[in-house]
Amino acid sequence: AQSVTQLDSQVPVFEEAPVELRCNYSSSVSVYLFWYVQYPNQGLQLLLKYLSGSTLVKGINGFEAEFNKSQTSFHLRKPSVHISDTAEYFCAVSGFQGGSEKLVFGKGTKLTVNP
Amino acid sequence: KAGVTQTPRYLIKTRGQQVTLSCSPISGHRSVSWYQQTPGQGLQFLFEYFSETQRNKGNFPGRFSGRQFSNSRSEMNVSTLELGDSALYLCASSLSGGDTQYFGPGTRLTVL
Repeated sequence: AQSVTQLDSQVPVFEEAPVELRCNYSSSVSVYLFWYVQYPNQGLQLLLKYLSGSTLVKGINGFEAEFNKSQTSFHLRKPSVHISDTAEYFCAVSGFQGGSEKLVFGKGTKLTVNP
Repeated sequence: KAGVTQTPRYLIKTRGQQVTLSCSPISGHRSVSWYQQTPGQGLQFLFEYFSETQRNKGNFPGRFSGRQFSNSRSEMNVSTLELGDSALYLCASSLSGGDTQYFGPGTRLTVL
């Protein structure tokens, strides 16, 4: 079974400051890792994903994440945030088993960017 | 290419009624998954369909069911609605198992 822990439920930052949203996972099988963003009253938008290869993954809107297998982490970072980054961010793990897949999500981190 | 579409976007029902939600995947995608999002429980997996067959199911009661048609469109049905079924229901599609899932805007269900 897989699980995801997002260590911070809320993260307030000032505009143009750097931010890191933390995510740890547990799984007994090889995993794929994802970060999704949800703006108010909308669905989930894929920010970035790690399937294999380079452990540093770049996504949309200037976000990046680093897969660390030894620490079972997949933290999301952005060097300089904008007001428009205010949203809820979800880390998810997918273990492709037996021809089927499902995403297991963390509880989410609400990022608030203040002027 | 059009994204995942879900209809209706909003629904209000009363306890005991049943409801059907619809999801049209991205063209060419054959896998459709459903998730329930609530403030208390977060995002929880309901079930996944691939080529009209349910391949995986989450821990939800039998009141929650779904199906997939030959054109990959999917519906989920909730019977005998309870207050606790109020949630945002999200549909996601992917090419096949093991691929990235792309989400629709969701259907907001309110049970009174």
